[in-house]
Amino acid sequence: TQLLEQSPQFLSIQEGENLTVYCNSSSVFSSLQWYRQEPGEGPVLLVTVVTGGEVKKLKRLTFQFGDARKDSSLHITAAQPGDTGLYLCAAGAGSYQLTFGKGTKLSVIP
Amino acid sequence: KAGVTQTPRYLIKTRGQQVTLSCSPISGHRSVSWYQQTPGQGLQFLFEYFSETQRNKGNFPGRFSGRQFSNSRSEMNVSTLELGDSALYLCASSPDRAPYNEQFFGPGTRLTVL
Repeated sequence: TQLLEQSPQFLSIQEGENLTVYCNSSSVFSSLQWYRQEPGEGPVLLVTVVTGGEVKKLKRLTFQFGDARKDSSLHITAAQPGDTGLYLCAAGAGSYQLTFGKGTKLSVIP
Repeated sequence: KAGVTQTPRYLIKTRGQQVTLSCSPISGHRSVSWYQQTPGQGLQFLFEYFSETQRNKGNFPGRFSGRQFSNSRSEMNVSTLELGDSALYLCASSPDRAPYNEQFFGPGTRLTVL
């Protein structure tokens, strides 16, 4: 079973600060997804990264897939209270199944 | 398009009872997956259905079962409830040709077992 380790587990920052969260594994992945989950809701897909070294930007969010396709990072620039939530990474774990990391819980304080 | 819907949103049961949760996928999605989310274990895969067939199953006891109907709606059942079954149960649907199995989640059913 491949494991996805996310760090940090918890992050509390002031509005306007930058932050990076990480998703690491000892396994190689063909692709990796990032989701955000707000309280009382299900996770929402933010991005899928596929190619080693790939960088994708979504407004203030920058996603990177490691060259060896074993790790990924999510960088948020000038965080806003609306960025508050649980950030989850997920990767394929065999056919028709995703394995999720335990997530990074982000709080952005106004 | 309407999103994934789950009913009920909240449920309180006692140990030993059984429960059935319902999920309606996004129109046109034939793949439906179920996950259990707890603070300690995170999101764990239960099973996945496609065209009424279970294609994959996670590492959960046989008390957890599911099914899918011809209209792609799905139900999951948990029998002989235990305290540890208290969790958020999430249903997700996926398009047939999603290249990386991207999941579209419903809001979940919060199950509390007393």
